Amino acid sequence: NAGVTQTPKFQVLKTGQSMTLQCAQDMNHEYMSWYRQDPGMGLRLIHYSVGAGITDQGEVPNGYNVSRSTTEDFPLRLLSAAPSQTSVYFCASRRQIMNTEAFFGQGTRLTVV
Amino acid sequence: AQSVTQLGSHVSVSEGALVLLRCNYSSSVPPYLFWYVQYPNQGLQLLLKYTTGATLVKGINGFEAEFKKSETSFHLTKPSAHMSDAAEYFCAVSERAQGGSEKLVFGKGMKLTVNP
Repeated sequence: NAGVTQTPKFQVLKTGQSMTLQCAQDMNHEYMSWYRQDPGMGLRLIHYSVGAGITDQGEVPNGYNVSRSTTEDFPLRLLSAAPSQTSVYFCASRRQIMNTEAFFGQGTRLTVV
Repeated sequence: AQSVTQLGSHVSVSEGALVLLRCNYSSSVPPYLFWYVQYPNQGLQLLLKYTTGATLVKGINGFEAEFKKSETSFHLTKPSAHMSDAAEYFCAVSERAQGGSEKLVFGKGMKLTVNP
């Protein structure tokens, strides 16, 4: 059972480059989300989706785009990378019920130089 | 908006000592509360959760937490620390967002060091 799979695990970008972080889950979860983790800041919500075709902004959405064309996939796009986007990114999924467990991917460590 | 406070960023205990990680939340409605653990270079995994019912919740690896509504707290404890407990611990609360969807809001995390 793969759970939540994120690719790549590591990435170095130059300022201004674009890229897509991939996230896939095989648990048929309705709810998917992207977080960034920075030292001393905990996890901050970037974007989330409650189902295919539905996305919404979280706490820190600027500079990121998402789409949800299928239940399984929820890619995160960096349109023009900036050094401030250097972070560890986590994708999570769960059922669309408030008291259920969120399952996290292993993370993507992104460095923007 | 709901928020979660974890005071401090690091705690150090000796092996065999009590582990106490504090979490306070703000919420105008009964909350759903969670503790997650993150081992080095890994994603987060659920330790335990409080939804309704019994206020003392038991989780994996000998951890437990008690929901105290009067104190708006959900502190995590373990009677005897083990070296393998060294990790970062996050308290989280479910928040109802606009439109009826729901978000998981995390505290800033607490790094636990266990000394031999």
